[in-house]
Amino acid sequence: SQTIHQWPATLVQPVGSPLSLECTVEGTSNPNLYWYRQAAGRGLQLLFYSVGIGQISSEVPQNLSASRPQDRQFILSSKKLLLSDSGFYLCAWREGAGNQPQHFGDGTRLSIL
Amino acid sequence: AQSVAQPEDQVNVAEGNPLTVKCTYSVSGNPYLFWYVQYPNRGLQFLLKYITGDNLVKGSYGFEAEFNKSQTSFHLKKPSALVSDSALYFCAVRDNNFNKFYFGSGTKLNVKP
Repeated sequence: SQTIHQWPATLVQPVGSPLSLECTVEGTSNPNLYWYRQAAGRGLQLLFYSVGIGQISSEVPQNLSASRPQDRQFILSSKKLLLSDSGFYLCAWREGAGNQPQHFGDGTRLSIL
Repeated sequence: AQSVAQPEDQVNVAEGNPLTVKCTYSVSGNPYLFWYVQYPNRGLQFLLKYITGDNLVKGSYGFEAEFNKSQTSFHLKKPSALVSDSALYFCAVRDNNFNKFYFGSGTKLNVKP
């Protein structure tokens, strides 16, 4: 069966520091991968998605970037964090074809001080 | 452009009573609709989807949803609510480019004993 792992679960970082959040998926090949940010326990904002290695689509101009160095690995990064980057970051995957739903990791709670 | 609306921020229901969480959608082309549930500090869990076929879709944990094309709605229902159903519920629609999903703002369901 497929599983998705996100880490760390919580992170506290000072303003101006770098960021690296990692997401990996097991048990599937060539998944579509997604990064979302959820503010205040409400709506999801799509940040990036990827349909293959090295293919990244950016949805919103951000202080963030994403990379997909391997088929089942998706990394969210920043060179210098802003206070506004605080939030709950969720990674998701889905099968690359058909009308399959997304499956989410358990998220990273990021607090910027 | 595709979008979904969840008109209620919060729904309160007594345990044992039926529950409905509302969702309306706007799509160009055929709608592909999904419901997810989120518990505190967790990722979203897939409940059910409508792709085509019967307007009443059955999903996990006793939930079902009714697709109504004329009203462009996809309301989530359960005949008898449990306290453990208390959570945040999201409706989503798949974009026609196949790879993106748009989420509603979420509805908090409170089931009181």
